[in-house]
Amino acid sequence: DAMVIQNPRYQVTQFGKPVTLSCSQTLNHNVMYWYQQKSSQAPKLLFHYYDKDFNNEADTPDNFQSRRPNTSFCFLDIRSPGLGDAAMYLCATSRGRGGSQPQHFGDGTRLSIL
Amino acid sequence: GDSVTQMEGPVTLSEEAFLTINCTYTATGYPSLFWYVQYPGEGLQLLLKATKADDKGSNKGFEATYRKETTSFHLEKGSVQVSDSAVYFCALRNAGGTSYGKLTFGQGTILTVHP
Repeated sequence: DAMVIQNPRYQVTQFGKPVTLSCSQTLNHNVMYWYQQKSSQAPKLLFHYYDKDFNNEADTPDNFQSRRPNTSFCFLDIRSPGLGDAAMYLCATSRGRGGSQPQHFGDGTRLSIL
Repeated sequence: GDSVTQMEGPVTLSEEAFLTINCTYTATGYPSLFWYVQYPGEGLQLLLKATKADDKGSNKGFEATYRKETTSFHLEKGSVQVSDSAVYFCALRNAGGTSYGKLTFGQGTILTVHP
């Protein structure tokens, strides 16, 4: 009964070749987040959607974009991946942005750049 | 801004030993506090949470108490198992101000339990 599903688990792309990571959820949560996690570090928030409202973090590179076509799905697009973009990408959801609501994470997609 | 500080790792214990991972925070208002666990190659799983001062969160033998007076949320377990080996993240979520419920993480603590 996976609730936040990320596909694929492992993605390999070439330097500069656009890549899309996907996330779906069965929780009907209205908030979806994308995090980047590099080895031995805490996750870093890239952006989030509150319903259809997109919220970008100030330090997220322009190379990273996101789409949310409906409540259940959210995509992370990396337009021109560089070697520094190799990381685990985590999707999370929550019911609202209230402080007491936990975020529920998927298993992540590990992105490698050749 | 909000911040979370965890004890330096890694932590290595023998099976059945007592575990403490320290976590302190700085935040305005009244944040909620969380512990997440990450097993190798997986995403983060919510381990426990506390939403107000003096609340105790507990799950799978792990406990943590929200101490506002010491701004702490230390994770404890009385008897660890090999299967507890993972990375543990302390986090806070503050609905107030401009944080819009953003999770602020500590740096993570690697726990290794030997048989």
